[in-house]
Amino acid sequence: DAKTTQPTSMDCAEGRAANLPCNHSTISGNEYVYWYRQIHSQGPQYIIHGLKNNETNEMASLIITEDRKSSTLILPHATLRDTAVYYCIVTRTSGSARQLTFGSGTQLTVLP
Amino acid sequence: DGGITQSPKYLFRKEGQNVTLSCEQNLNHDAMYWYRQDPGQGLRLIYYSQIVNDFQKGDIAEGYSVSREKKESFPLTVTSAQKNPTAFYLCASKRQGQVTEAFFGQGTRLTVV
Repeated sequence: DAKTTQPTSMDCAEGRAANLPCNHSTISGNEYVYWYRQIHSQGPQYIIHGLKNNETNEMASLIITEDRKSSTLILPHATLRDTAVYYCIVTRTSGSARQLTFGSGTQLTVLP
Repeated sequence: DGGITQSPKYLFRKEGQNVTLSCEQNLNHDAMYWYRQDPGQGLRLIYYSQIVNDFQKGDIAEGYSVSREKKESFPLTVTSAQKNPTAFYLCASKRQGQVTEAFFGQGTRLTVV
């Protein structure tokens, strides 16, 4: 299984873009990059996923490097409600369900 | 509305007692998961199931048991053999074999005194 490495914590000013990095240097060709976030004492919430192209939805943008060894989640205009732990995971669509494993994530704190 | 429901939200038990946490989903998802989360930590996989009547151990299965008699339900029993049962427990489900996201319940906070 591809492992991910994320910074333990980051701060961002309210209204600014939050850029959260993730390294997944052992990712294989059939593995997707997924991002989830967890607001304190709640269940994680899906944000976005991608394979090799950059993706954007109403919540965020996902930039994946050409070699796919790292990615960046971008929250374009961070608000106080975006304060949460952000998890980057890689998983295949086929194979064992065990692929859905989480690391420690990045604690993003949006400052007023 | 479709979703995944965990109950209860808070649970208190005396040490030495078994306790079962409920997880129900009406999303018609094949795969279901149980995670444990300790304060300031990430999610650790306890058990997962890809199909009815089948389940597999995750990374920290000792002291826990599960069943998957129905597609919709994946209850977790925390047994007296679990040395440190006090934690936040999260259940998730996902459609297998497709590029879809996992859905999580709101969690059960178990306190053993």
